[in-house]
Amino acid sequence: DAGVIQSPRHEVTEMGQEVTLRCKPISGHDYLFWYRQTMMRGLELLIYFNNNVPIDDSGMPEDRFSAKMPNASFSTLKIQPSEPRDSAVYFCASSRGLGVGEQYFGPGTRLTVT
Amino acid sequence: AQSVSQHNHHVILSEAASLELGCNYSYGGTVNLFWYVQYPGQHLQLLLKYFSGDPLVKGIKGFEAEFIKSKFSFNLRKPSVQWSDTAEYFCAVKGYGGATNKLIFGTGTLLAVQP
Repeated sequence: DAGVIQSPRHEVTEMGQEVTLRCKPISGHDYLFWYRQTMMRGLELLIYFNNNVPIDDSGMPEDRFSAKMPNASFSTLKIQPSEPRDSAVYFCASSRGLGVGEQYFGPGTRLTVT
Repeated sequence: AQSVSQHNHHVILSEAASLELGCNYSYGGTVNLFWYVQYPGQHLQLLLKYFSGDPLVKGIKGFEAEFIKSKFSFNLRKPSVQWSDTAEYFCAVKGYGGATNKLIFGTGTLLAVQP
């Protein structure tokens, strides 16, 4: 299996622009998670899905952030409009089942907003 | 609510020194516990995990962790570190049961091993 795939790996954009991050989970995994990692706040869970349905979005910082999972093999995290404080590494992870599901992380997208 | 505390933010050791990284969690029920490692420029990888049974868990690369329920702790240990262990280490907890698969991560401990 190729593991969790994220694109792009690096994104540099100007403040005010829309940014879309993409994730392909491991085939057969029914949970998908979006995390943000910064020096100041560490690793934060933004939102997670089960069977393509958002379960907990309490970590989404504000309305500028939105996430979708149109099917079992694809998810997007969108920031519109982007701000410099959104600069971070965004990780996608997936897992199988409840309870004992280990989460497998993607390589991350390093976002820089200037 | 669940929370995880990693008290050591930055640890510097010489090769062959012993390592112990502290992790304490806050949760009233049964928990699953994890240690993840992030090597420089890479994504998080699972180092080891505890679900039930023997509280001493052995993971990859010679790491182990001990779950002490009475102390709400899950400290990571390695008897002799190598330069290649330089990385950031994250403890994580997940409450067991209920409709949740949410991992709560600690803030991480950055380990630098000097050759």
